[in-house]
Amino acid sequence: AQKVTQAQTEISVVEKEDVTLDCVYETRDTTYYLFWYKQPPSGELVFLIRRNSFDEQNEISGRYSWNFQKSTSSFNFTITASQVVDSAVYFCALSESYTGANSKLTFGKGITLSVRP
Amino acid sequence: DSGVTQTPKHLITATGQRVTLRCSPRSGDLSVYWYQQSLDQGLQFLIQYYNGEERAKGNILERFSAQQFPDLHSELNLSSLELGDSALYFCASSVQPGTSGSNEQFFGPGTRLTVL
Repeated sequence: AQKVTQAQTEISVVEKEDVTLDCVYETRDTTYYLFWYKQPPSGELVFLIRRNSFDEQNEISGRYSWNFQKSTSSFNFTITASQVVDSAVYFCALSESYTGANSKLTFGKGITLSVRP
Repeated sequence: DSGVTQTPKHLITATGQRVTLRCSPRSGDLSVYWYQQSLDQGLQFLIQYYNGEERAKGNILERFSAQQFPDLHSELNLSSLELGDSALYFCASSVQPGTSGSNEQFFGPGTRLTVL
């Protein structure tokens, strides 16, 4: 069975600090996909990134970066120079690879990030 | 704006009642998913439809059912409601992956259900 663990439940930082959100996953599949979603206080779920299991290259998008390490089954997310607008709940998710149609997402419990001015 | 619409935004009802939540996927997306977000269970997958057919089932109660119509919109029906059904219900849709893969899902704004 698939499982996603986000051991950190709440993180509080001061603006401009860097912060890393951890994600550890379990799956028996050799092909799988990892995702991060953001849920701001308004409640919607916003897609941030998708990574497949064959691509271990780290990715950077502005102040956001992701570190995928298959050896430790981790897909960590770093926000550089955090801003108040980054305050949200962040979810890591995992899905299998199906032929012809997409698969459900298995979510972690989420990490509540608070960025103080 | 993800392009996925859900109605209503809020729903308040009483125990024992039945409600219908509606979802319209992004234009061109054939897959629709329903998720439930509650404080104790977190975000849980309920059910998936692909081009009108049920594709996968998760932790969906027998009191809940769903369908996807020919125009690809979907409805989630919740009946004999209990206090514990109070939650945020999300619908998501995704583009087809081709031969295999798993594309990102885009989520609607959710329907907040309160059962009193």
